[in-house]
Amino acid sequence: GAVVSQHPSWVICKSGTSVKIECRSLDFQATTMFWYRQFPKQSLMLMATSNEGSKATYEQGVEKDKFLINHASLTLSTLTVTSAHPEDSSFYICSASVEGQPAFNYGYTFGSGTRLTVV
Amino acid sequence: GEDVEQSLFLSVREGDSSVINCTYTDSSSTYLYWYKQEPGAGLQLLTYIFSNMDMKQDQRLTVLLNKKDKHLSLRIADTQTGDSAIYFCAEAINTGFQKLVFGTGTRLLVSP
Repeated sequence: GAVVSQHPSWVICKSGTSVKIECRSLDFQATTMFWYRQFPKQSLMLMATSNEGSKATYEQGVEKDKFLINHASLTLSTLTVTSAHPEDSSFYICSASVEGQPAFNYGYTFGSGTRLTVV
Repeated sequence: GEDVEQSLFLSVREGDSSVINCTYTDSSSTYLYWYKQEPGAGLQLLTYIFSNMDMKQDQRLTVLLNKKDKHLSLRIADTQTGDSAIYFCAEAINTGFQKLVFGTGTRLLVSP
């Protein structure tokens, strides 16, 4: 159990275009989804937290208008990088969570990540 | 504060034991976790420990927790080349929901 699918695995886009990344919980309903960004050889930086049906909560320093997060259902959250620029190139990882559960019991299941390269 | 720190790099030979250390700051964390990340992949939960425990063993993995010093360690016995990866410790912080704060990550390199 506890499988999270993240697509695409990698994407190359031109500067100025938008890219959408999907995160799906396949066998459970995720009340909360987290989006992380990881720079090379660095730790995960939490970008935002989204709860189904409500607006995402962004961490300090993360541009809401650039990184649009939608959590329309209990199994799907999307991150759209709008007007992407080369500095947005990074590894983006989502995590799906069931409220009140610890990480080892559907509390935090990670997707496989998306490598975004903006040229 | 929410700073979780780890040493950046560890190199061992195959068959040796590896010890990865972590220092966290939030004493109210109920669970502490160890994750493994292989190149280009997401994070895989390796093991965890509840805050009222001192030690937990799971096959080749041993987790030690010193709550007084806020120090967590992961020992991998008989380290294999397949263990080469980045290891992250994480503490669970309750902010209305459980939020994981990750350490800086330790890159483990196992040589034959």
